[in-house]
Amino acid sequence: RKEVEQDPGPFNVPEGATVAFNCTYSNSASQSFFWYRQDCRKEPKLLMSVYSSGNEDGRFTAQLNRASQYISLLIRDSKLSDSATYLCVVFGGYQKVTFGIGTKLQVIP
Amino acid sequence: EPEVTQTPSHQVTQMGQEVILRCVPISNHLYFYWYRQILGQKVEFLVSFYNNEISEKSEIFDDQFSVERPDGSNFTLKIRSTKLEDSAMYFCASSRLDRANTEAFFGQGTRLTVV
Repeated sequence: RKEVEQDPGPFNVPEGATVAFNCTYSNSASQSFFWYRQDCRKEPKLLMSVYSSGNEDGRFTAQLNRASQYISLLIRDSKLSDSATYLCVVFGGYQKVTFGIGTKLQVIP
Repeated sequence: EPEVTQTPSHQVTQMGQEVILRCVPISNHLYFYWYRQILGQKVEFLVSFYNNEISEKSEIFDDQFSVERPDGSNFTLKIRSTKLEDSAMYFCASSRLDRANTEAFFGQGTRLTVV
């Protein structure tokens, strides 16, 4: 099993749609979880941290399920500007950082 | 807003040459990282650095790679004898990594092209 698994997509959704991504991780000792966004040929940028209690920031909601070892990202009311690759990032310890391959989202007019 | 800065933004080098990629992490951060991303592939962890020494490194980070924090602000990645397959985007990142702040912030990257 890969350390961090994501569906690479692409997810093609119309503007205004709700889309959800999942990410699973294999190391049960993982400590911190994040979603990053990466635009084509740019650096990853932090989108949001992920907590067991859930974390909402505007149209974005992230959730962590430790029992099942997955995290999720929900995007409501998709905008064209949301088109990007969404990277699941897991800190397995202070120095062990693993990226998923990323899920590509394309929002269509 | 503080940010991680990397120079140069693009480096072209001949196979077998040494390159040094430079990074200035965010000033109050304690942990520093190098990652690489080959075009079209995932972001891969290379090395982490804390308290002036390597904390962890991946299998990619072999003897041709080294890191250094020469002056308390810069954090460098040296590739001793570049190979064609070293062509990639190299990202530097830093984090505070205390209980409340574990996220890493990335520089804009250095695109290394080995010819």
